[in-house]
Amino acid sequence: GQQVMQIPQYQHVQEGEDFTTYCNSSTTLSNIQWYKQRPGGHPVFLIQLVKSGEVKKQKRLTFQFGEAKKNSSLHITATQTTDVGTYFCAGEDSNYQLIWGAGTKLIIKP
Amino acid sequence: NAGVTQTPKFRILKIGQSMTLQCTQDMNHNYMYWYRQDPGMGLKLIYYSVGAGITDKGEVPNGYNVSRSTTEDFPLRLELAAPSQTSVYFCASSYGHGPNSPLHFGNGTRLTVT
Repeated sequence: GQQVMQIPQYQHVQEGEDFTTYCNSSTTLSNIQWYKQRPGGHPVFLIQLVKSGEVKKQKRLTFQFGEAKKNSSLHITATQTTDVGTYFCAGEDSNYQLIWGAGTKLIIKP
Repeated sequence: NAGVTQTPKFRILKIGQSMTLQCTQDMNHNYMYWYRQDPGMGLKLIYYSVGAGITDKGEVPNGYNVSRSTTEDFPLRLELAAPSQTSVYFCASSYGHGPNSPLHFGNGTRLTVT
């Protein structure tokens, strides 16, 4: 079946370092959405990307959608403790079904 | 504006017991979803609904039932609880599908079956 692979599963960073998570779909996506889940919380919508090659920024977060609309990435510059959580991508396929990545957990080293 | 409200927040069930997880939304969203999230894992779709009176199976529907008699409510029923159903359950809603229809999640129900 259709899958969205998300890597890495975990990323440990020192506060102030950068963080990146990648999503790769086996099929072309209509759009891709990104969500953040704080520890013990629920997923919260961050952004959606629709156009091929689209790049969007939210302060220190940069989101990209690949030219073929099969891959996407989220990059956080200079991580802060408030960035801790799990980041999920969710791609919408041609049947309007959302296919979720497994998430990347951002851990700030003490 | 409450958004998506789930009750209860926590529940412990014995094997074989049944229960209903409640979900209601006040955003007049057409689409509603039930997901489960096992510890350290991603989201798996159990059931979804595109409108009142319409429900459909997701990726992991076995052991669950749903109904959608109103736009606002989408309860999830567990008939014979099993330890494999220990998980966090999230209800979500969206206006529709496609761009500009992100999912809004409830706070979740943490269920333990022993």
